Amino acid sequence: DIVMTQFPLSLTVTPGEAASISCRSSQSLLKYNHLNWFLQRPGQSPQLLIYLGSNRASGVPDRFSGSGSGTDFTLKISRVEAEDVGVYYCMQALQTPITFGPGTKVDIK
Amino acid sequence: EAQLVESGGNLVQPGGSLRLACAASGFTFSGTWMSWVRRAPGKGLEWVANIKQDGSETAYVASVKGRFTISRDNAKNSLYLQMNSLRAEDTAVYYCASSVLTTLDSWGQGTLVTVSS
Repeated sequence: DIVMTQFPLSLTVTPGEAASISCRSSQSLLKYNHLNWFLQRPGQSPQLLIYLGSNRASGVPDRFSGSGSGTDFTLKISRVEAEDVGVYYCMQALQTPITFGPGTKVDIK
Repeated sequence: EAQLVESGGNLVQPGGSLRLACAASGFTFSGTWMSWVRRAPGKGLEWVANIKQDGSETAYVASVKGRFTISRDNAKNSLYLQMNSLRAEDTAVYYCASSVLTTLDSWGQGTLVTVSS
């Protein structure tokens, strides 16, 4: 199975500041970077933010961006807003079992 | 826009069974891989199973193999998860998710399964 790790596991950010979350896979996710990012806000179901490493999902603000390749990936929020609180997960979709990172909890100061 | 509505969650005793359902609309259900994902209390997301468009291929996480069965009825735009021999560690909110554009791109609101005596 592909193991996904994330860091940090917790992050507190001031509104307007930038934030960055790293994700690493135990195996290369190959050319098409089968790596997605999700946000689960409190009390809500998960929402797709980024797919194939760097493509923003429909309706996702452009302050969210994804980068990386192979085994190392990053989600960046250029200017954090209050609505960005929740748990962020990376997920690999290269092979089954599909696996998620442990999640990064983001709070606002 | 894809809409997914889960149902069937309940309180069940250890060793019991439960069948979850997911009603899909807003996309071509018969042309889409579908998955079940769960989140246990205080834990992260865990992919449970998926099924190919025509039902000919399925895959499961190791912890549910032999106990859970994913299936679909394309005529009814519905996805199912039959859960047998339930354990306390299966307690979670279960989500169905579609993969129209990419893997797990739309999610339902979830249904709560509690396994307890």
